[in-house]
Amino acid sequence: KQEVTQIPAALSVPEGENLVLNCSFTDSAIYNLQWFRQDPGKGLTSLLLIQSSQREQTSGRLNASLDKSSGRSTLYIAASQPGDSATYLCAVPYGGSQGNLIFGKGTKLSVKP
Amino acid sequence: GAGVSQSPRYKVTKRGQDVALRCDPISGHVSLYWYRQALGQGPEFLTYFNYEAQQDKSGLPNDRFSAERPEGSISTLTIQRTEQRDSAMYRCASSFPLAGGDGSYNEQFFGPGTRLTVL
Repeated sequence: KQEVTQIPAALSVPEGENLVLNCSFTDSAIYNLQWFRQDPGKGLTSLLLIQSSQREQTSGRLNASLDKSSGRSTLYIAASQPGDSATYLCAVPYGGSQGNLIFGKGTKLSVKP
Repeated sequence: GAGVSQSPRYKVTKRGQDVALRCDPISGHVSLYWYRQALGQGPEFLTYFNYEAQQDKSGLPNDRFSAERPEGSISTLTIQRTEQRDSAMYRCASSFPLAGGDGSYNEQFFGPGTRLTVL
């Protein structure tokens, strides 16, 4: 059974810091890994999708890496801003149909001005 | 409308009533997914469709829950005889590549969700 774990559960940093969010999964037979951002009262926003053949993906100040063999992914946020405050979730598709996303519980990030 | 839309955004109902939640996916997206999210948790899979065909309903908690997508576009999640434990955020997502094929490119895009409260 696929399990996804995110550490830490919460993180508070001062503005301008670089930070790393961690995601681990138990079954390395994944097709991709997706990082989302969730803001209170709003939907999930897709940030990055890393295909299984890729090792990293970049979008602006965000960089996500994937190491399938160790069952880990990291989301690196450079020069954090208060607007980055949100809950960050990672998810992997599971099952033969690949339609079933398994999510971690998320890391709640707070960036203090 | 560029994104996934869901209606209603908020639904309050009394125990025992039926509710229908609607999802309108991104135009052209062939796969549509339903998830349920409790506070402090990540979303949990309920069911998904490719076009109008329901491919996997293994996440539906019991037979009070059903979903349909009759024309391969808009989908409805129906909960019959609601119970207080059904209270949650119900989220819909869509994607373009067919789930079940090469899943490498299967990026899912989520709507704002429907907050269901059963009194």
